[in-house]
Parts: sequence; C-alpha cells; structure tokens
Amino acid sequence: GIQVEQSPPDLILQEGANSTLRCNFSDSVNNLQWFHQNPWGQLINLFYIPSGTKQNGRLSATTVATERYSLLYISSSQTTDSGVYFCAVGARGAQKLVFGQGTRLTINP
Amino acid sequence: DGGITQSPKYLFRKEGQNVTLSCEQNLNHDAMYWYRQDPGQGLRLIYYSQIVNDFQKGDIAEGYSVSREKKESFPLTVTSAQKNPTAFYLCASSIYTEAFFGQGTRLTVV
Repeated sequence: GIQVEQSPPDLILQEGANSTLRCNFSDSVNNLQWFHQNPWGQLINLFYIPSGTKQNGRLSATTVATERYSLLYISSSQTTDSGVYFCAVGARGAQKLVFGQGTRLTINP
Repeated sequence: DGGITQSPKYLFRKEGQNVTLSCEQNLNHDAMYWYRQDPGQGLRLIYYSQIVNDFQKGDIAEGYSVSREKKESFPLTVTSAQKNPTAFYLCASSIYTEAFFGQGTRLTVV
C-alpha cells in the first residue's frame, strides 16, 4: 500500500518563528489532507490539497503531486500552534486515508 | 449544527467484555471510517463503509466488528478478542474524498 513519511518528527521553535513541515508519499494520490491534532485529541482540518497551493491566514500548503510531496508552512508561530500535525493521503482508486506518523510542533513563548 | 458525534468521550472496560463505541453524523456523507490511535503514533484504519449495509476491513480489523444499518450511524464493537484495546478511537466521514473527524473516544481496559 501507499507509504507516507513526515519530517521532521519533532520541531521546537520560539514564538514568532516560521516553520515548514514536509510530507512525502510513495504513489499517486487523489486526496491529501493536513490536520492539526489539538491537546484534547481532536483532528482539525487544515487543508484539503491533492495538488496546488492554498493559504489560510498564517498557514499555507503546497502539494507537488508529480514529485509526491506536500509542504505545510506556518508563519509567525504562536503558542496555540503547538500540537501534532498529520498528513494523510488517499491513493488513486482508494477511498481510505493513510496517515503519516505526524510532526510534533512545540512553540515556546 | 452539522457534524460527527462520538460517544462516550471516555470508556472503561473490564477485560473479557465487549464494548460498543457510537458514531453518528448528520452531514449526509456516504462514507464512514474508524481509526485507532496509540500514544505517539499516527492513525490506523480499522474498518470503513462506503454505503449502507456494506463495509470493508482496514489494516487492523482483528478483534473489532462494525455495522452500517443507517447512513447516519457506524458503531464499532471492540470484542474480547482484541488483545490490546486501550487506545484512542476516532470516527470520520467523507464527501467525495475530504474526510472530517469526530472528537474521539478514549477506551481504557481496567
């Protein structure tokens, strides 16, 4: 099945810094989503982005489907950005999402 | 409000007992899913259903069972055959391909 790798596994930054999270996947996809898992465990949808670029406030994402990777950018980080960020992909012809292991982001004040 | 509701939020089970986790959605989504998350790990797929009265095993279906009698509901039963059931369980539904998640149920075996 399709493999998903996220990097880095952990990232510690000071408030105000910018960060880039990466997601590599092993096959063609028809779905790619970025989620933020909050301290209570809920998965918050950030982007649905099987290809192209999207922006939402301080967050933006880019997926280069032909090269099988996606990037999540967080600018001017705030302590509330802390948590685990997951990339999940759906392979072509498959309904289900396969998750990476996540990047744990810690923003210190 | 539209959304996905999981209940209960916390559940304690004695060894050898079956328990059922509830998942209800009012988003009119056709597909529904159950995932399991262990501490510090990603999510792994247990079962999914694309239409009523049909469901497929995911990657870790052993020791679990599901039903899909109504479009809105996709309950998960954790049976006594599941050797290590303590985990965080997340239900999701999707329209076309974008998925949305409920708030999860934390199951602890005591």
